[in-house]
Amino acid sequence: EAQVTQNPRYLITVTGKKLTVTCSQNMNHEYMSWYRQDPGLGLRQIYYSMNVEVTDKGDVPEGYKVSRKEKRNFPLILESPSPNQTSLYFCASSFDVGDTQYFGPGTRLTVL
Amino acid sequence: KNEVEQSPQNLTAQEGEFITINCSYSVGISALHWLQQHPGGGIVSLFMLSSGKKKHGRLIATINIQEKHSSLHITASHPRDSAVYICAVERYNTDKLIFGTGTRLQVFP
Repeated sequence: EAQVTQNPRYLITVTGKKLTVTCSQNMNHEYMSWYRQDPGLGLRQIYYSMNVEVTDKGDVPEGYKVSRKEKRNFPLILESPSPNQTSLYFCASSFDVGDTQYFGPGTRLTVL
Repeated sequence: KNEVEQSPQNLTAQEGEFITINCSYSVGISALHWLQQHPGGGIVSLFMLSSGKKKHGRLIATINIQEKHSSLHITASHPRDSAVYICAVERYNTDKLIFGTGTRLQVFP
């Protein structure tokens, strides 16, 4: 089944404790992206990747890192999480940025 | 001012009604997407269009590039259509997507 998976789905952590949210797709998509969704602000792009080893900043990259060592995986890293990073995070993939986007199920992160 | 504006923010309807959700944008775009987010949080892509009109079942999406405006229509609405509908645009000559804040639709039996 074609899908985008994210783990974990829910995470409660404390300020400063490094964490990684994994994202994996099995559709051989080249474009992958991370978004955060906050009430009243909608979805905002954090980072995106056009292909392996090619990543670029979205609109809200501060406090986040990503890597794209393999085509299927695009992990999101929070080196030192802060409470303002409490949010709902979505990973998405597509063949190209203008193509149909496939979203993961979301990761709800709470930073205390 | 947001580069992508949706209206209305909230919409309630009776089952069977014809529904229109609007999206206006202020930047040059390569493509526009309509997404649906169900109460459980999952997001699915409904349409991707760069011109004209697309139809899928009871859903119709149109775009007017000159007026920088798109509409999503739902014919014969049903309670299972209750969701948040999100418009997103691919800003021209970039690889980025910009999203509207969504329209929350509730359809009552």
